[in-house]
Parts: sequence; structure tokens; C-alpha cells
Amino acid sequence: DAKTTQPTSMDCAEGRAANLPCNHSTISGNEYVYWYRQIHSQGPQYIIHGLKNNETNEMASLIITEDRKSSTLILPHATLRDTAVYYCIVRANAGNNRKLIWGLGTSLAVNP
Amino acid sequence: DSGVTQTPKHLITATGQRVTLRCSPRSGDLSVYWYQQSLDQGLQFLIQYYNGEERAKGNILERFSAQQFPDLHSELNLSSLELGDSALYFCASSARDLGGPTNNEQFFGPGTRLTVL
Repeated sequence: DAKTTQPTSMDCAEGRAANLPCNHSTISGNEYVYWYRQIHSQGPQYIIHGLKNNETNEMASLIITEDRKSSTLILPHATLRDTAVYYCIVRANAGNNRKLIWGLGTSLAVNP
Repeated sequence: DSGVTQTPKHLITATGQRVTLRCSPRSGDLSVYWYQQSLDQGLQFLIQYYNGEERAKGNILERFSAQQFPDLHSELNLSSLELGDSALYFCASSARDLGGPTNNEQFFGPGTRLTVL
């Protein structure tokens, strides 16, 4: 099962872009990168996912390197409400890899 | 509101006891996932059901069991409880099976906070 590593914590000033990195060097060809966030013991919330191409939605952008061994989640204009733990996980699209491995995530603090 | 409901919200019990946590998935979702989150820990995937069948297993203890019923709601049974079982237990649902198409994000419920004294 592919695993991910993320920095334990990060800070960001309100209104600035928050760039959260994730390493997934053992990712295999059919595994997608998913990002979720968890705000203070609430249930995690889906943000975005991608395979090879960069993706953007109303919440964030996802930049995946060409070798797919790392990715960056970008919150373009961070607000105080974006303070949360951000999880990067990989998930197989098919086949027998049916486990989900969540690391400890990155605790993002957005400061006024 | 994700559309996933979990009951009860809080549960306090004693060591050695047995409890049942309940989850109702979003309308139309066929997959249900159970997770455990201990204090200051990440999410530990326990088990997944799809349309009534067990499909994936994580680090679920033998003292724990789960099932998904024909109406798609799921229950997680925890028995012979120990102090270390105190945690937040989350249920999530998705439209499809774990190994299915990419647009299969999980929607999480608010969790059940279990305290074992």
C-alpha cells in the first residue's frame, strides 16, 4: 500500500496562499491522490483528488509532479476557517489494493 | 451537513462492556467505511462494506465486528472494551466500491465519541 508523508505542522497568514506538500514516492500507476481536511474533531471533509494532471475546484488546487512522487495542495487565499488538519492519502482505482492508509496529516494554522 | 448520520454522539461505558455504534449513509451511497481516531492520532481505517458485503479490512481488532444491513445502514460492535478503545469513531459513505471509479470521495459523519472508564 502506498504511503504518504507530510509535514507535521505549517503556518500561513490570512489572505495568503497555503501550500501543503505531500510525498508519495511509492505510489503506483493506478493510484489517485486524495486530499481531505478535518476541522477540530469534526468528520473529515473531501477537498480534491487527482491522478496525473493538475486539478482545481472551488476549494483548492492540486499540483502533482510529473513523476507523481509528490503533490502540493494549494489554498489560494487562506482564511481563518481553513485552520485544520489536512490529510493526503492515495487510493487505488482498481485491483486488490483496497486499504486506506491515513497518516497524521499536516496541522495548518492560519493566522490573522 | 454531509448527509451521513451517526448515533449516539457520545457514549460512556466501562471496561469489559459491549457497545454498538450506528451509521446511516448518505441517500444512494452503497459503501460504508468505519474509522477509529484516538487522541492526537490520525484516522485508522477499520473496515468497509459495499452493498451488504465486507470489501476491505484495515487494522480492526478481533473484538470489533461490523455489518451492513439490507437498508444499507451499518453497525460497529465493540466488545470486551478496554481503556485504549476510547476514541472517536467515524463512519463514512461513498457512492461506489473502494476500488471503483475515481469520483468516489467519502462523506464523513460527525462521529461517535466513545469513553471507556
